[in-house]
Amino acid sequence: NAGVTQTPKFQVLKTGQSMTLQCAQDMNHNSMYWYRQDPGMGLRLIYYSASEGTTDKGEVPNGYNVSRLNKREFSLRLESAAPSQTSVYFCASRSRSGNVALGANVLTFGAGSRLTVL
Amino acid sequence: GQQLNQSPQSMFIQEGEDVSMNCTSSSIFNTWLWYKQEPGEGPVLLIALYKAGELTSNGRLTAQFGITRKDSFLNISASIPSDVGIYFCAGRPGTASKLTFGTGTRLQVTL
Repeated sequence: NAGVTQTPKFQVLKTGQSMTLQCAQDMNHNSMYWYRQDPGMGLRLIYYSASEGTTDKGEVPNGYNVSRLNKREFSLRLESAAPSQTSVYFCASRSRSGNVALGANVLTFGAGSRLTVL
Repeated sequence: GQQLNQSPQSMFIQEGEDVSMNCTSSSIFNTWLWYKQEPGEGPVLLIALYKAGELTSNGRLTAQFGITRKDSFLNISASIPSDVGIYFCAGRPGTASKLTFGTGTRLQVTL
C-alpha cells in the first residue's frame, strides 16, 4: 500500500545544474500531477498528465519539463535550476472514475521532495 | 484563474478548544476538499464535499459545503495535540477541472 512514492526526499543543487524528480503510484490512477509548495502560497500546479501519453501545463510551468513514462510514473525535470525553484515539490495522482464515497476522484499526495538551489 | 481565500492564516489554541476555519472562492465550485499536512509529509485528505449544503463529519472534524457554492467551512471539536498541522481547502468548478488550493491555516495546539 505504498500509494505515491517520490524520490529523492531532499536535494541541494547549484544554480544551473539539472535534475529529475521521480514519482510513481501503485493505485492504477489515470491522472498525475506535480505541485510546488512555497510558504504562504499554498500548492501551485506545475504540470499534470490527465492520462498516459498526455501532459499539460499548470499554473507555474516555466523552468520545468515533465515526462509521463507510463501509467505509473511521472517525472519532473529542472534543466537549469534557479534559486527561485527552491521549494517543496509534491507529486499526486487521482482516479477520475469510481465511487467518490470510497475516495475516488480526489488527489493522493506523495511525501514531498525538498529542493534547495544555491 | 480562480482565487481561494482561506482564513485564518494561523491559529494558536489550547487543547480542548474548538476550531473553525473557512475558505471562500471567487467562483462557483462543485467540489470542496479539506486536506491536512503534517510536518515533512504530503497533504492527506480529511473530508470531501460534493453537494451544496452538504455537511460531512470525520470523527471530530465537520465540514460544510456552502449554499452559495463559493465557500466551505471546517470545524474541529475538542482539539488535541495531534491536530497540529496545516489545513488546506481545495476546490474545483467541474469534475474534469484542476484543483485550486487555499493558502492554508496553520494550527498550533498548546497543552
